[in-house]
Amino acid sequence: DSGVTQTPKHLITATGQRVTLRCSPRSGDLSVYWYQQSLDQGLQFLIQYYNGEERAKGNILERFSAQQFPDLHSELNLSSLELGDSALYFCASSAGGTGASYGYTFGSGTRLTVV
Amino acid sequence: DQQVKQNSPSLSVQEGRISILNCDYTNSMFDYFLWYKKYPAEGPTFLISISSIKDKNEDGRFTVFLNKSAKHLSLHIVPSQPGDSAVYFCAASAYRQAGTALIFGKGTTLSVSS
Repeated sequence: DSGVTQTPKHLITATGQRVTLRCSPRSGDLSVYWYQQSLDQGLQFLIQYYNGEERAKGNILERFSAQQFPDLHSELNLSSLELGDSALYFCASSAGGTGASYGYTFGSGTRLTVV
Repeated sequence: DQQVKQNSPSLSVQEGRISILNCDYTNSMFDYFLWYKKYPAEGPTFLISISSIKDKNEDGRFTVFLNKSAKHLSLHIVPSQPGDSAVYFCAASAYRQAGTALIFGKGTTLSVSS
């Protein structure tokens, strides 16, 4: 157990629908990062929150949004879902704003299947 | 445009031999490099890192080499063990650049046979 909790583990939904993925960071970590892993793709950075504020933005679609709550858990909202949104979505956390030297701690991911 | 590239999707090695995984990058602002290991149905786990001011970092059976002039790094695993079979991701960060996060390559699947 890495200490980063992601729910649900699996999600199957239809095109056009909206889903919410949840992440609880490791205790004491202030940063939460969201990554998407599609087939044959690496881990694509979506967005980072640090202590409730958006800190960095990657290749996140306009249909996707995220937020970090006062208790530091984060939610990733995916709307108007398309077949191509089917992927593994990982949440990671780190103590500081960058965490570059010691890395991030990842959760086990949410597998989203859009049918 | 991919800033971190792992050009070998897979690598097969015999137990006890050396595994060498390669990674190239394009962004000269990157100053920290990390390797992650991922087993099926699990999230990636941090393995080893190196700062751009070093050219080598060692941790047990794992050594990472950095060649800044070539924008290339490699992970050496010696000796390789069947339990090392996993997907290995190379990642890079511009630590001092605000508004950035770890950028990952596509991964290399390592298979170690006994």
